[in-house]
Amino acid sequence: GAGVSQTPSNKVTEKGKYVELRCDPISGHTALYWYRQSLGQGPEFLIYFQGTGAADDSGLPNDRFFAVRPEGSVSTLKIQRTERGDSAVYLCASSLRIRGLGETQYFGPGTRLLVL
Amino acid sequence: AQTVTQSQPEMSVQEAETVTLSCTYDTSESDYYLFWYKQPPSRQMILVIRQEAYKQQNATENRFSVNFQKAAKSFSLKISDSQLGDAAMYFCAYRSENGNSGYALNFGKGTSLLVTP
Repeated sequence: GAGVSQTPSNKVTEKGKYVELRCDPISGHTALYWYRQSLGQGPEFLIYFQGTGAADDSGLPNDRFFAVRPEGSVSTLKIQRTERGDSAVYLCASSLRIRGLGETQYFGPGTRLLVL
Repeated sequence: AQTVTQSQPEMSVQEAETVTLSCTYDTSESDYYLFWYKQPPSRQMILVIRQEAYKQQNATENRFSVNFQKAAKSFSLKISDSQLGDAAMYFCAYRSENGNSGYALNFGKGTSLLVTP
């Protein structure tokens, strides 16, 4: 089946604006993860969902960042009052479950966010 | 928190040769998973290989194999018969099994692999 998809592929915005990044996971995957990858770094965890609920949001850097997954499938990462330091690639991953076999995370192609 | 260290920012290998990428990690847990992901310029993170910590046998996937040394907390990736398409960033990642430190992946900073003809 189809893999994880993310839209838009690239997003350019101005400092102070609001942006939404979308992730469409693999069908049937109950766990969904958001990561942020700055230039020259490995991805860093932001938040993950098990079903509709945010099971762990400890990686969100501040209250300008928020994510939802209202129907347990598509997720949206929302960033308010964007800052230049928010510029990065935002990666989404999904897995069949969290624990044990089947928890391997499959990644989307990411959204490159540039805040001017 | 677990830390993952990749000490080689860049590596180079000739086509058809073998290269080994290093990874060490720090943890107090006994149950966990280790992964190698490949990230080409397209940005798509692709799973290369994974290892369950409770398994003593090293994982192998075709030309890719690992050397997992649990006591030394070392998890190196060996690529045999290197191909031009292997050129990419390679990330080592750690994940807890029991959720004590969450279920997200902890990544190293990556190793850029260059394959020369």
